[in-house]
Amino acid sequence: EAGVAQSPRYKIIEKRQSVAFWCNPISGHATLYWYQQILGQGPKLLIQFQNNGVVDDSQLPKDRFSAERLKGVDSTLKIQPAKLEDSAVYLCASSGLAGVETQYFGPGTRLLVL
Amino acid sequence: DQQVKQNSPSLSVQEGRISILNCDYTNSMFDYFLWYKKYPAEGPTFLISISSIKDKNEDGRFTVFLNKSAKHLSLHIVPSQPGDSAVYFCAASFPLPNFGNEKLTFGTGTRLTIIP
Repeated sequence: EAGVAQSPRYKIIEKRQSVAFWCNPISGHATLYWYQQILGQGPKLLIQFQNNGVVDDSQLPKDRFSAERLKGVDSTLKIQPAKLEDSAVYLCASSGLAGVETQYFGPGTRLLVL
Repeated sequence: DQQVKQNSPSLSVQEGRISILNCDYTNSMFDYFLWYKKYPAEGPTFLISISSIKDKNEDGRFTVFLNKSAKHLSLHIVPSQPGDSAVYFCAASFPLPNFGNEKLTFGTGTRLTIIP
C-alpha cells in the first residue's frame, strides 16, 4: 500500500513570496489533514478535510493560508504572502473512515522563508 | 496554551534497559491517546494507542500506561534497542461533533537516544 505522498520535499523562498504544497493521501482515505511543525514543537493542525469538505480550519491563518481538496482526493496548501515565521515542516496526513483513529503521515515539506 | 506536554526534551538510555517517556495533559475531555515515533526527514509514524477506558495497553516491547486522575501517560520501551532512537510525540484526541475522525493535539516531543 502506497503511503501519503507530498511534494516538494524542500522549498526556500523569500518573505512575501507565494508557495504551494501538494499532498496525495492513501487511496481510499476520506480524511486529510495539514499540520504545521515548527522546529522544537509538535505538529499543529491547520486544516482537516472530510472528503472535499472542511471539518476544522480553526487554526488556519486565513489571511495568508488557503487549502483545497476539490475532488476529495489530493490537496494543496498555499501560503501567500509568506512570512519568516512560516518556516516549518508542513505535514500531510490521512485516515480512513469514521472509527479509524490513527493517522498516516507523509514525509513533509520543509519550508524556509528568508 | 499547551494542552499536551512532554517536559523532557531529551532522554538517553543504555541499550537493553527500559526507556520511559512521559506525557501530561490538561484537557479532561481527551478520550484517546497515541504515541508517534519520528525519524529525521520522515513523517511521524503511529506506535501505540490507548483509550481512556483502559489504564494499560501493550504491544510487544511497547507499553502505554494511562493515569486519568493524574492526567498522565507514559510509554515504556523494554528492552531498548538502537533503532528506537527517534523523537517520540504524545498525542491526544477527542471526537469532533460530526465526524468519527478525531483531531490530534500533539506534545512537543522527546528525543530518545539509545546508547549501544
